[in-house]
Amino acid sequence: EVQLVESGGGLVQPGGSLRLSCAASGFTISSYWMSWVRQAPGKGLEWVANIKQDGSEIHYVDSVKGRFTISRDNAKNSLFLQMNSLRAEDTAVYFCARIDRSGYTKDWGQGALVTVSS
Amino acid sequence: DIQMTQSPSTLSASVGDRVTITCRASQSIISDLAWYQQQPGTAPQLLIYKASNLQSGVPSRFSGSGSGTEFTLTISGLQPDDFATFYCQQYERYPYTFGQGTKLEIK
Repeated sequence: EVQLVESGGGLVQPGGSLRLSCAASGFTISSYWMSWVRQAPGKGLEWVANIKQDGSEIHYVDSVKGRFTISRDNAKNSLFLQMNSLRAEDTAVYFCARIDRSGYTKDWGQGALVTVSS
Repeated sequence: DIQMTQSPSTLSASVGDRVTITCRASQSIISDLAWYQQQPGTAPQLLIYKASNLQSGVPSRFSGSGSGTEFTLTISGLQPDDFATFYCQQYERYPYTFGQGTKLEIK
């Protein structure tokens, strides 16, 4: 059974940093693109970033470029999101996700809440 | 960026009804469109991929159609578990973008 479990969320002050982790089980992440998607409270879904199997290709939504870094450790079957210079508008539940070979988001974690507030 | 526009934003229906949700892309995305269902407080779940392909395990009352810029999700014979929020997403071009969501409510 595919499982994605996020951790590392919490309350952080504006301008602060936080690192999210996603532990995968039931499959080997080295075979898949992986993704982060977020959802602000009461709002819709927003794609954040994708990373290729070997980390050689990465894409971000414009609003996080230069502040967020997606990375992976295939040996540990884990995905990460380093978030710096956090803003109030980054407050959201962050979902880790597996991308199917055809490009769509196939499996989702349960999400980790990040709250940016003073 | 490709803008995805869903309609309606809210839909009221009864158990047993047939409903259709539309998703329009601001430019052609061929058939690179997925549909997701999200219950409150939970992660989205994949329903349809490649515009019309039913994800394994999803009931056959869900169906998708369309190509290019206009797509539809149809639910035939609504069940109580179907009342949720639905999102379309294009994955043809970066940045991937979602529609704003359609909330399906019980009438």
